[in-house]
Amino acid sequence: EPEVTQTPSHQVTQMGQEVILRCVPISNHLYFYWYRQILGQKVEFLVSFYNNEISEKSEIFDDQFSVERPDGSNFTLKIRSTKLEDSAMYFCASSEGQGARNTQYFGPGTRLTVL
Amino acid sequence: AQSVTQLDSHVSVSEGTPVLLRCNYSSSYSPSLFWYVQHPNKGLQLLLKYTSAATLVKGINGFEAEFKKSETSFHLTKPSAHMSDAAEYFCVVGGNQAGTALIFGKGTTLSVSS
Repeated sequence: EPEVTQTPSHQVTQMGQEVILRCVPISNHLYFYWYRQILGQKVEFLVSFYNNEISEKSEIFDDQFSVERPDGSNFTLKIRSTKLEDSAMYFCASSEGQGARNTQYFGPGTRLTVL
Repeated sequence: AQSVTQLDSHVSVSEGTPVLLRCNYSSSYSPSLFWYVQHPNKGLQLLLKYTSAATLVKGINGFEAEFKKSETSFHLTKPSAHMSDAAEYFCVVGGNQAGTALIFGKGTTLSVSS
């Protein structure tokens, strides 16, 4: 069964450093998403992406964040200058399209630790 | 605006007894509703979804949920709990349009004792 994959599974970085989290969505999916879950808190939406453009973003997704689909398979989340409060589990998701095909399938997550 | 409330932060059951995880939602239009499960150190797995078809939805591992519009509820049930069901369960509301954000509840931790 096709699945969303994410790399790395765990990333440790120093405050102020840039990080890039990588995701490979399910191959025939057209919509891509990033969510995060700070330890002990609920899963929060960051951004959705379609047709090489951001279609929706939350208040969390400020200028420090960017997303990109650099090729036909990868979808990345870049944090330009990490802060301690960026420490969280980051989940990538993808969906096929409208209606019943809108189910978002999640990857296993990348745990980001900012020191 | 959409929101979802999971009424219990923690539910404990004995193996073999029924499971009930409660969820209420708020939406200004007909929503899509989901239950996702997260096992320790694992990602989010879709258990089941409601997208305006049958109100009783069957999912994986014997779970099911009933959409009740009059009560704005989407409770998750299972007739007989198994030890492997111990996990965090999230009730989630989303729009019917692709590309829209999912709104997660705070989660319910299910503990299963032998």
